[in-house]
Amino acid sequence: AQTVTQSQPEMSVQEAETVTLSCTYDTSESNYYLFWYKQPPSRQMILVIRQEAYKQQNATENRFSVNFQKAAKSFSLKISDSQLGDTAMYFCASLPMTGAQKLVFGQGTRLTINP
Amino acid sequence: ETGVTQTPRHLVMGMTNKKSLKCEQHLGHNAMYWYKQSAKKPLELMFVYNFKEQTENNSVPSRFSPECPNSSHLFLHLHTLQPEDSALYLCASSPTLAGAVYNEQFFGPGTRLTVL
Repeated sequence: AQTVTQSQPEMSVQEAETVTLSCTYDTSESNYYLFWYKQPPSRQMILVIRQEAYKQQNATENRFSVNFQKAAKSFSLKISDSQLGDTAMYFCASLPMTGAQKLVFGQGTRLTINP
Repeated sequence: ETGVTQTPRHLVMGMTNKKSLKCEQHLGHNAMYWYKQSAKKPLELMFVYNFKEQTENNSVPSRFSPECPNSSHLFLHLHTLQPEDSALYLCASSPTLAGAVYNEQFFGPGTRLTVL
């Protein structure tokens, strides 16, 4: 079974600062995807970034990057130059590449960017 | 309309009512999903459909009954619900099921359900 754990229920930083959200996971799968999703107050879940577990290089999307430590089963999200629009719930999730199509989510981290 | 739409956005129902949630995707996708997002628990997958066929039922109680008449529409029929079923119900779609080739899931805005 897959599990995803986010140990930070809430975080708050000032605009333009860098913030890192933590995520650990457990899976028996050898090939899987990892994701960070953003859910703003409008409730629409949006994919921020994804990582294929077989890739050693950390994924990057503009101001968003991940630190993927496969042996430690850790997948943190770094947001650089944070903006007010980054305020949202952030969910870490995992999905096996084969078999059951179960996207498993963590509990979420509520991130607030203060002006 | 573009993307994934869900109606209604808000629903209040009694425990003896029967209601349905609707999801429609305008992306030409073939896989559709229902998720439940409760206040105190992580997002939970409920059902998965691929080419109108149900491929996953995550041990969901029978008072939730999904229906997928075609690849663009997904319904969740509700009857004799309990107050603990109050939650945000999210629909998602993807080109097909994920495999060696990634298929991103696109989410709708959700239906906020309150069971009295």
